Amino acid sequence: AQSVTQPDIHITVSEGASLELRCNYSYGATPYLFWYVQSPGQGLQLLLKYFSGDTLVQGIKGFEAEFKRSQSSFNLRKPSVHWSDAAEYFCAVGERGNKLVFGAGTILRVKS
Amino acid sequence: ETGVTQSPTHLIKTRGQQVTLRCSSQSGHNTVSWYQQALGQGPQFIFQYYREEENGRGNFPPRFSGLQFPNYSSELNVNALELDDSALYLCASSLDRGPEQYFGPGTRLTVT
Repeated sequence: AQSVTQPDIHITVSEGASLELRCNYSYGATPYLFWYVQSPGQGLQLLLKYFSGDTLVQGIKGFEAEFKRSQSSFNLRKPSVHWSDAAEYFCAVGERGNKLVFGAGTILRVKS
Repeated sequence: ETGVTQSPTHLIKTRGQQVTLRCSSQSGHNTVSWYQQALGQGPQFIFQYYREEENGRGNFPPRFSGLQFPNYSSELNVNALELDDSALYLCASSLDRGPEQYFGPGTRLTVT
């Protein structure tokens, strides 16, 4: 069965500092991988996705993620965090015709 | 392009009652998936509808049921509400059961 692990429940970074959120997945083949962001009480916004090809993918709001098959990882990065990036971030794995499986999420706090 | 919309925004029900939540898919999308997000957790897949038929179901009891209409909008019905049903219910739409899903803002259900 598919599973997603986000090892960090909370992360605090200073505004302007770099960010890396970790995501590991368990899946039998190369999955479709996603990062979503959720502000308090809101729905999920798709940040970026990986289906195939270049393992470094660019998303919205200056985020990028790198797929590493050997490590079953899909970590999210941003070179310089803004206060507006404070939110909860979810990594998800999916396949065509099926559900998305989400990690438990990482809450990002940005300190000024 | 119209995004995914959900109604109502908030709902308070009493244990044992029934509730219906509604979702309109993004224009051009014919697949709707429903997720339950309990407080502090990632979304959990309830079921998916494609061309008015259920196309996959998560680990939820039969008192969770759904419909999809010819215009691809969808309803989630929950009978015999329990306190643990209190959660944010998210609807997501995609094209042809594709894995790239776009989420609505959610309906916050509180069961007292």
